[in-house]
Amino acid sequence: EDQVTQSPEALRLQEGESSSLNCSYTVSGLRGLFWYRQDPGKGPEFLFTLYSAGEEKEKERLKATLTKKESFLHITAPKPEDSATYLCAVHPSGAGSYQLTFGKGTKLSVIP
Amino acid sequence: DTAVSQTPKYLVTQMGNDKSIKCEQNLGHDTMYWYKQDSKKFLKIMFSYNNKELIINETVPNRFSPKSPDKAHLNLHINSLELGDSAVYFCASSPKSGVSPLHFGNGTRLTVT
Repeated sequence: EDQVTQSPEALRLQEGESSSLNCSYTVSGLRGLFWYRQDPGKGPEFLFTLYSAGEEKEKERLKATLTKKESFLHITAPKPEDSATYLCAVHPSGAGSYQLTFGKGTKLSVIP
Repeated sequence: DTAVSQTPKYLVTQMGNDKSIKCEQNLGHDTMYWYKQDSKKFLKIMFSYNNKELIINETVPNRFSPKSPDKAHLNLHINSLELGDSAVYFCASSPKSGVSPLHFGNGTRLTVT
């Protein structure tokens, strides 16, 4: 069974304090890994897609990386507006690959 | 302006009732989805639908049924609501059913009393 585990469940950072969020996955084959941001009362907002090990994507203070077993979302010098829940999802390559498998997310709080 | 819109945003109803949630996307996407986010915050696929194929997650009770009047709309009908149906339901769309990012609506919080 495909599994996605995100850690930590919650993370509190001071403004400017860089850190990383982890997404570990177990799938029979990976077609793509997605990162989303979800604000309270809103739907997930797409951030990045990673397709193969070694790939990196950047957007403002966020940088996503991918290995064969996990992905990291690095946050450099975060600001309070980066506070949100960050979700990781994998698109497996096996049968029934129409669906994404999501992790539970990491709730990030950035304190001014 | 909104890419994927759902109505209503909140829905409170009693057990045994039948209700519908509407979803519309103006992105021109071919595939639409319904996801359920439970109290533990897991997002789980319920249905995937394009103009050719409906794919149903086998764990979804047959009290839930998607209805698509056209490519831009995918409504969710729920019959005989149960307490365990309380959750946030998200509609989403993507350009194709392959590896492409989903665009989500802002969710409908369903509370069954």
